[in-house]
Amino acid sequence: AQSVTQLDSQVPVFEEAPVELRCNYSSSVSVYLFWYVQYPNQGLQLLLKYLSGSTLVKGINGFEAEFNKSQTSFHLRKPSVHISDTAEYFCAVSDRPDDYKLSFGAGTTVTVRA
Amino acid sequence: GAGVSQSPRYKVAKRGQDVALRCDPISGHVSLFWYQQALGQGPEFLTYFQNEAQLDKSGLPSDRFFAERPEGSVSTLKIQRTQQEDSAVYLCASSHPGQEKSGANVLTFGAGSRLTVL
Repeated sequence: AQSVTQLDSQVPVFEEAPVELRCNYSSSVSVYLFWYVQYPNQGLQLLLKYLSGSTLVKGINGFEAEFNKSQTSFHLRKPSVHISDTAEYFCAVSDRPDDYKLSFGAGTTVTVRA
Repeated sequence: GAGVSQSPRYKVAKRGQDVALRCDPISGHVSLFWYQQALGQGPEFLTYFQNEAQLDKSGLPSDRFFAERPEGSVSTLKIQRTQQEDSAVYLCASSHPGQEKSGANVLTFGAGSRLTVL
């Protein structure tokens, strides 16, 4: 089974600073990668996904992630964060492109301070 | 409805009590998933329905957990004889059949039902 490791459980960051959230996955022949965000008292929302093609994936709200097969990583970045980006972020992996039976990481809590 | 609706949002149960958690998916969504999210952890897959058929229940932690979707829309997750280790947020998600075939991720999650077992 696929597994995901999110290396940082908490990431404090100042407003307008860049942020990077790290995600590593267990190696597999086929892998499909996702980043979800969970705002307080809300359901998980998809930020972006990598299914195939370009290794640099752009998502909503100015986020992007880069798939690096040699390092089995899929780190999430945003060049300038806002207070509203305060949330929990989950990296997930599937061995199918239709996101069936996702395996999630433990999550990274991002706290943006003014 | 406009989104995936889950009820109750919060449930406190005494150990040994039975609980039922409801999920109302987006109308027309064929696939429905239940996930369990323990405190400080990511969601873990419990079970999957395609219409009324439960095609995968490999994630259910014990036979005290039971899920159904009798008419292919609303789903209920039932936990019998609750234990403290069952305390978690239970997430429901649904997806659109046409977009599944294209490989697009169109999972829509509900806000979850937080279960606390005392």
